[in-house]
Amino acid sequence: GAGVSQTPSNKVTEKGKYVELRCDPISGHTALYWYRQSLGQGPEFLIYFQGTGAADDSGLPNDRFFAVRPEGSVSTLKIQRTERGDSAVYLCASSFSGGAGELFFGEGSRLTVL
Amino acid sequence: DQQVKQNSPSLSVQEGRISILNCDYTNSMFDYFLWYKKYPAEGPTFLISISSIKDKNEDGRFTVFLNKSAKHLSLHIVPSQPGDSAVYFCAASGRTGNQFYFGTGTSLTVIP
Repeated sequence: GAGVSQTPSNKVTEKGKYVELRCDPISGHTALYWYRQSLGQGPEFLIYFQGTGAADDSGLPNDRFFAVRPEGSVSTLKIQRTERGDSAVYLCASSFSGGAGELFFGEGSRLTVL
Repeated sequence: DQQVKQNSPSLSVQEGRISILNCDYTNSMFDYFLWYKKYPAEGPTFLISISSIKDKNEDGRFTVFLNKSAKHLSLHIVPSQPGDSAVYFCAASGRTGNQFYFGTGTSLTVIP
């Protein structure tokens, strides 16, 4: 499709497990963002990629969270030793070049940690 | 610390009337502002934006007003339609645009 694609749409896991969430941005978009949205909150910035490099990872809450974008397209958000507080909708967005521009969001991956 | 605030969690408006959604921000370095609309189980979709060099931007039924001195922006929808019922988020960024800071959202219900 033409939009941002995220998989899985839903993930239920047990506390302590490892999780990977995938984002396939719009073709040609060099900027890719990960956000996290908890219930009743707005999206919270996690990390921003420009091409293959993480230009800003200041929003990652701790070292259990890591993201990669090895070829400058698909990105994977990795969460180690999941905790119940990690339960949220993880949103991926892309934009043509980053900077002050419109973000195109995917539908999100809902993570539930039991 | 919430840099972008939407103090009204919900708003109900009669169809055909004006909807006004408000947003306040604290960081004077923000210079680009956007409104997103979100339906349940979908990602946010872009609605309208404004840069700090303007005080008004209009797109069809949607108008965004920016008051830099008050650090306040508002989204006006007129006339409101039932299909406008959704959660509306305002977002702000600085010149680098690396981070977009979102408010907590306002749930708009347009009553037919």
